Amino acid sequence: EAQVTQNPRYLITVTGKKLTVTCSQNMNHEYMSWYRQDPGLGLRQIYYSMNVEVTDKGDVPEGYKVSRKEKRNFPLILESPSPNQTSLYFCASRGHYGYTFGSGTRLTVV
Amino acid sequence: QKEVEQNSGPLSVPEGAIASLNCTYSDRGSQSFFWYRQYSGKSPELIMFIYSNGDKEDGRFTAQLNKASQYVSLLIRDSQPSDSATYLCAVDRETSYDKVIFGPGTSLSVIP
Repeated sequence: EAQVTQNPRYLITVTGKKLTVTCSQNMNHEYMSWYRQDPGLGLRQIYYSMNVEVTDKGDVPEGYKVSRKEKRNFPLILESPSPNQTSLYFCASRGHYGYTFGSGTRLTVV
Repeated sequence: QKEVEQNSGPLSVPEGAIASLNCTYSDRGSQSFFWYRQYSGKSPELIMFIYSNGDKEDGRFTAQLNKASQYVSLLIRDSQPSDSATYLCAVDRETSYDKVIFGPGTSLSVIP
């Protein structure tokens, strides 16, 4: 089954404690993205990757890092999380006909 | 002006009626247009993709694109309670294939 696997689904952490959200796709897609979704603000792109070792900033990259060492994996790293990064995060993989999204990670930073 | 705009709703329609969802975009060079459905607490799911002017039909869903007027719409015929969700319009930016812009979404409620 074609899918994007994202972990963890839920995460509560404290300010400043580094965390990584993993994302993996099995569709051999070159393009992958990270989005955050907040009430009233919709989906906003954090980072995207056009291929292995090629990444670029989206609309809200501050406070986030990504890496793309393999085509299938695209982890999102928060090196020093802050409460304003509390949000619902989605990883997405882009095929010809649009994105397939992961199931989401609900992150709470206290 | 926001890049992709949608009526936030909520839009309420009776079961069996046609639901009409609208979306306008600002980048005149946009090439591809998508409709996603998102149930509460779930991830967006692609339901329609259109890139040519005119209509595209898939089951009960019809997407309509008018590039001259810069709008794209989604019609849902014979609406069912299971169609109750938020519908996101998304547009490819002309200058960057991978930088899709999402609209804020329209909440649809189908009343039995």
